[in-house]
Amino acid sequence: DTEVTQTPKHLVMGMTNKKSLKCEQHMGHRAMYWYKQKAKKPPELMFVYSYEKLSINESVPSRFSPECPNSSLLNLHLHALQPEDSALYLCASSQALGGNTEAFFGQGTRLTVV
Amino acid sequence: GQQLNQSPQSMFIQEGEDVSMNCTSSSIFNTWLWYKQDPGEGPVLLIALYKAGELTSNGRLTAQFGITRKDSFLNISASIPSDVGIYFCAGPYPLNTGTASKLTFGTGTRLQVTL
Repeated sequence: DTEVTQTPKHLVMGMTNKKSLKCEQHMGHRAMYWYKQKAKKPPELMFVYSYEKLSINESVPSRFSPECPNSSLLNLHLHALQPEDSALYLCASSQALGGNTEAFFGQGTRLTVV
Repeated sequence: GQQLNQSPQSMFIQEGEDVSMNCTSSSIFNTWLWYKQDPGEGPVLLIALYKAGELTSNGRLTAQFGITRKDSFLNISASIPSDVGIYFCAGPYPLNTGTASKLTFGTGTRLQVTL
């Protein structure tokens, strides 16, 4: 099973709303990631969690707040977003240690900020 | 940051044709990953390469880890309509240290297949 599940698939939110994106994997992976992808561009890394601890924050604005409640779950809390934050948000997971860096992605959440 | 350049940027081919695309970097990579992404979906891992010179196949797909460790190639044989999508190369950069790594993605090759 190489499945990473993201919910919701689509989300429309106003600039004053608070919402959360959710991600779940049951592959025993201990590294989980949030990526942001704009149209016709490659995914860009936002956050990396390793063993439930935030290990990389790519200078993401504080209106994006990640959370890793346990080794299988990863959330991204959204607050006071801007229209330019509209994008496809991708969650991924991989084994945290060793030379295997294969990352498996979820189907993404299409976020529209109005 | 590190840039991975893919070429061609896009290509139109006829069903049944073979496809070749490549990914180049100015820095050495220890791992090359190839992903395919359909519109509105997440990238799907196709092939992983871990050794310079390695040649790995997955069905009609064949990928190679360049000898210089600065490039990788993906070939698709006998293309079919469902091969349509964007193909990304990716690699951990800075070099994988054995912990969770950042994946750097290439600029992508958009493939369109005509009947």
